Amino acid sequence: GDSVTQMEGPVTLSEEAFLTINCTYTATGYPSLFWYVQYPGEGLQLLLKATKADDKGSNKGFEATYRKETTSFHLEKGSVQVSDSAVYFCALEGGGTSYGKLTFGQGTILTVHP
Amino acid sequence: SAVISQKPSRDICQRGTSLTIQCQVDSQVTMMFWYRQQPGQSLTLIATANQGSEATYESGFVIDKFPISRPNLTFSTLTVSNLSPEDSSIYLCSVVRGNQETQYFGPGTRLLVL
Repeated sequence: GDSVTQMEGPVTLSEEAFLTINCTYTATGYPSLFWYVQYPGEGLQLLLKATKADDKGSNKGFEATYRKETTSFHLEKGSVQVSDSAVYFCALEGGGTSYGKLTFGQGTILTVHP
Repeated sequence: SAVISQKPSRDICQRGTSLTIQCQVDSQVTMMFWYRQQPGQSLTLIATANQGSEATYESGFVIDKFPISRPNLTFSTLTVSNLSPEDSSIYLCSVVRGNQETQYFGPGTRLLVL
């Protein structure tokens, strides 16, 4: 079945540091890929998405590129802020009979210090 | 986007009892789902709530334990039956509107079973 593997956390960075959170996936067919973010005390929000190979999703300075050859969707940000402290989830939606069903990675806790 | 509300936002229940969680969306949606997020864990799909028919459950989840209703295109309920401490989790509903791939999540219901 489909699966998503994220880099283990937690990740602790200083403000303005470069962020990479690795995400790789296993899926049959051609999944859509997502990054969701869960800020402290808040619900799950869509951060960005990509629906086909080589697509780049971007939002709030975050980027991720759908790499079919390496089955990866790594999240990057050039300069993190304290307000980026949250839990980040990589997810895929398999399409076909799995349309709408999301498979999540284990989540990565990011803490950014001033 | 979609505005999703869940009731209750949190509850503390005794083992052996049941809790029914409501999910209300501000407009008609194509698909509704229920997820569970166990403490410190990722999200796991429980079932797809089908309008006017029985829900479709994922492996490891059964109707007797997690009965679901979806009487119309904007509302669904999830009941967690015969509660045990292992059911302590956050339960989230999510929706997909039309043919969009983006899935929106409700704020979640935090359940503690004593």
